[in-house]
Amino acid sequence: KNEVEQSPQNLTAQEGEFITINCSYSVGISALHWLQQHPGGGIVSLFMLSSGKKKHGRLIATINIQEKHSSLHITASHPRDSAVYICAVPPIGGGADGLTFGKGTHLIIQP
Amino acid sequence: GAVVSQHPSWVICKSGTSVKIECRSLDFQATTMFWYRQFPKQSLMLMATSNEGSKATYEQGVEKDKFLINHASLTLSTLTVTSAHPEDSSFYICSAGRVGGSEAFFGQGTRLTVV
Repeated sequence: KNEVEQSPQNLTAQEGEFITINCSYSVGISALHWLQQHPGGGIVSLFMLSSGKKKHGRLIATINIQEKHSSLHITASHPRDSAVYICAVPPIGGGADGLTFGKGTHLIIQP
Repeated sequence: GAVVSQHPSWVICKSGTSVKIECRSLDFQATTMFWYRQFPKQSLMLMATSNEGSKATYEQGVEKDKFLINHASLTLSTLTVTSAHPEDSSFYICSAGRVGGSEAFFGQGTRLTVV
């Protein structure tokens, strides 16, 4: 089973700061998901990436397949970015099994 | 993007009763849906894989007789928590992907409280 580690577990920052959340996994994968979970529990898929970098608004996700590492960056952070950010990987070898999730990073952006 | 609708978003039930949670893919067909559970301050954990037209596949430690999964059509999977107990109180969320795709689309989740 793929082991997914996220860091930091908790992060509090001031509005406007550049935020970085890291994710590492133990077994090579074809793609990695970054998810955002709001306080009510709802989950939004932010990115699915298999190589390089993707950008959506103030969010940037990068992945290094060789190093088995991915990062999620938030530029010009805002209090509305406060949420739990989760990385998730598909099963080893692909297939129709569910994702394995990291424990999440609880981000609080203070005004 | 694809939409997965989960209902209800929250439910409070008495101990011993059963609760049904529905997960629908609104604009695509999903031969496979996944049910996850999340306890407070813990990560999401896969409970079972729901396969259209066949029996669900349960993860180790998940009681199949307690968590009944039915995937009657390509757009609907249901999770029934039978004889619910307070320890079943949790956040349940489903996800689905398009046939042949690798993206995951999540329902809104259901917060179950058993009193």
